[in-house]
Amino acid sequence: QKEVEQNSGPLSVPEGAIASLNCTYSDRGSQSFFWYRQYSGKSPELIMSIYSNGDKEDGRFTAQLNKASQYVSLLIRDSQPSDSATYLCAASYNFNKFYFGSGTKLNVKP
Amino acid sequence: AAGVIQSPRHLIKEKRETATLKCYPIPRHDTVYWYQQGPGQDPQFLISFYEKMQSDKGSIPDRFSAQQFSDYHSELNMSSLELGDSALYFCASSSHGLGVYNEQFFGPGTRLTVL
Repeated sequence: QKEVEQNSGPLSVPEGAIASLNCTYSDRGSQSFFWYRQYSGKSPELIMSIYSNGDKEDGRFTAQLNKASQYVSLLIRDSQPSDSATYLCAASYNFNKFYFGSGTKLNVKP
Repeated sequence: AAGVIQSPRHLIKEKRETATLKCYPIPRHDTVYWYQQGPGQDPQFLISFYEKMQSDKGSIPDRFSAQQFSDYHSELNMSSLELGDSALYFCASSSHGLGVYNEQFFGPGTRLTVL
């Protein structure tokens, strides 16, 4: 079992819709959580970081953290075809443990 | 803003050869991480360095070694290359000055092909 679990997808949403991506983590000591976007053959790009319970919004992106339930989610509003990519959830405990999920492939249909 | 620099971007080697990958972290970042990503897989953590000392070790083969130098750049040395070593190799950097947040920023990667 991986430390961070994600549904591999693909998740298909129509253009303009809200895409909802979820992940769960097993290490209760995890302190920081991240969402990376990765296009095929490219490097992961950090799009959101969250450390406290609740919501954090940045433009069209909202990250949600629930430490009691050990889940993190990412909402993408007004999804665009350019959002089509693999989204990696990651959790970190101090600086010596950093776990990636397997990624969820998002497909935004025009 | 300056990003993580990796060189070379592409590398082709024969089996049993040696390869060296280089990583230059974002200025003032003190921690470097190496990842290997095969086709369709998530990045697999190999090894990390903080202030030139190894800080954590993941699934790095014994044939691989790495170090971080006084200018904080890092090199990943890969010997006795095997076909299965063909992958994208990413370097990421972060700064302990950010506290517990540990935001890692990735370089563009080196695509290694072993023939």
